Amino acid sequence: EVQLVESGGGLVQPGGSLRLSCAASGFSFSDHYMDWVRQAPGKGLEWVGRSRNKANSYTTEYAASVKGRFTISRDDSKNSLYLQMNSLKTEDTAVYYCARDGPTGTYFDYWGQGTLVTVSS
Amino acid sequence: QSALTQPASVSGSPGQSITISCTGTSSDVGGYTRVSWYQQHPGKAPKLMIYDVTNRPSGVSNRFSGSKSGNTASLTISGLQAEDEADYYCNSYTNSRTLVFGGGTKLTVL
Repeated sequence: EVQLVESGGGLVQPGGSLRLSCAASGFSFSDHYMDWVRQAPGKGLEWVGRSRNKANSYTTEYAASVKGRFTISRDDSKNSLYLQMNSLKTEDTAVYYCARDGPTGTYFDYWGQGTLVTVSS
Repeated sequence: QSALTQPASVSGSPGQSITISCTGTSSDVGGYTRVSWYQQHPGKAPKLMIYDVTNRPSGVSNRFSGSKSGNTASLTISGLQAEDEADYYCNSYTNSRTLVFGGGTKLTVL
């Protein structure tokens, strides 16, 4: 059974940093692209970014809203995906979901339950 | 990359059919057969309903179908049921090698 479990959320002040983790199990993690998607309270889904797999050199892409502030990394030996968030703004407050990509790398076939990040003073 | 455009809300009675549109540009929806749809119930994680415009994952009811014409993709739900009441989001691959969501549509089953 595919499982994705996010952790690391919490309250942080504006300008601060936070690192989210996503522990994956039940599938060959190294074969898949992995993404982060967020949802601000009462708002819609927003794609944050992705890590491609080893076959694609672990390259990353980011949404314009987080580029230069957020960094996605992965450790295939630990079946884990990470999101390092720096220079946090109040508008980064959201539930952050980890999601697995399907074979074409263009859709999300499994999602975690999310972890809440609150940026507030 | 601007968000794809979806109607804020749609409604229908049990047994009826509804269609949710998702409009983008030639740089995303119109340029690729890579549109997906997600269902989200309150407080829950999204669930994949349709991928690559028309494909249904295993376990998703055949009452859900997808299509695309030009820069607009559509999700149709036939034989509406109470449990279909949820938020629905479209997503597309883009020519920037990124992905973009629609703003979401709240489906109400009357």
